[in-house]
Amino acid sequence: GQNIDQPTEMTATEGAIVQINCTYQTSGFNGLFWYQQHAGEAPTFLSYNVLDGLEEKGRFSSFLSRSKGYSYLLLKELQMKDSASYLCAVNQGGKLIFGQGTELSVKP
Amino acid sequence: DVKVTQSSRYLVKRTGEKVFLECVQDMDHENMFWYRQDPGLGLRLIYFSYDVKMKEKGDIPEGYSVSREKKERFSLILESASTNQTSMYLCASSLLGHPSSGANVLTFGAGSRLTVL
Repeated sequence: GQNIDQPTEMTATEGAIVQINCTYQTSGFNGLFWYQQHAGEAPTFLSYNVLDGLEEKGRFSSFLSRSKGYSYLLLKELQMKDSASYLCAVNQGGKLIFGQGTELSVKP
Repeated sequence: DVKVTQSSRYLVKRTGEKVFLECVQDMDHENMFWYRQDPGLGLRLIYFSYDVKMKEKGDIPEGYSVSREKKERFSLILESASTNQTSMYLCASSLLGHPSSGANVLTFGAGSRLTVL
């Protein structure tokens, strides 16, 4: 079966670092995406990992371990505007299967 | 600015009505997708299409059908709407590329919030 797990909610403080984990067990795997979704808006692309290791893009980094079925999204120097849902999605031959999303609240 | 446009932002329909949700993309993308998004369940794939007149079932196709007569347009049809189809519906598109290619990045529309009474 397909299973993609993320924590439902997280809270962090402005200026801090937060790590959002995602574990997956899927029948196919062609990479893993992270999307950001602000309330009432469309999801927007953040990062893509297809090989093991860390991909860094400004304040955001994403890590993948295929052998462990595990990824995380690391957000540094948190800002209030980072309050959003973060969606982990497994790529299955161009078809994306999503986890339930993690609602991140950034407090002053 | 590239766009995926969903025709209706908010709809209210009655049980048993036929509902059409329209989606148009201007990026010449081959792939198009329909998801529904519900609290605690995330995005679930209803149907997708890799080419004109082609369609594939996603994870929850029951109660839905789709139409792709032109490359840029992908329609979701609820033949007889039911209250459990009250949801946010998101359309997305992507380029046709190698399965492991980052070209599979989805661009989403703003969503259509459907309420079935």
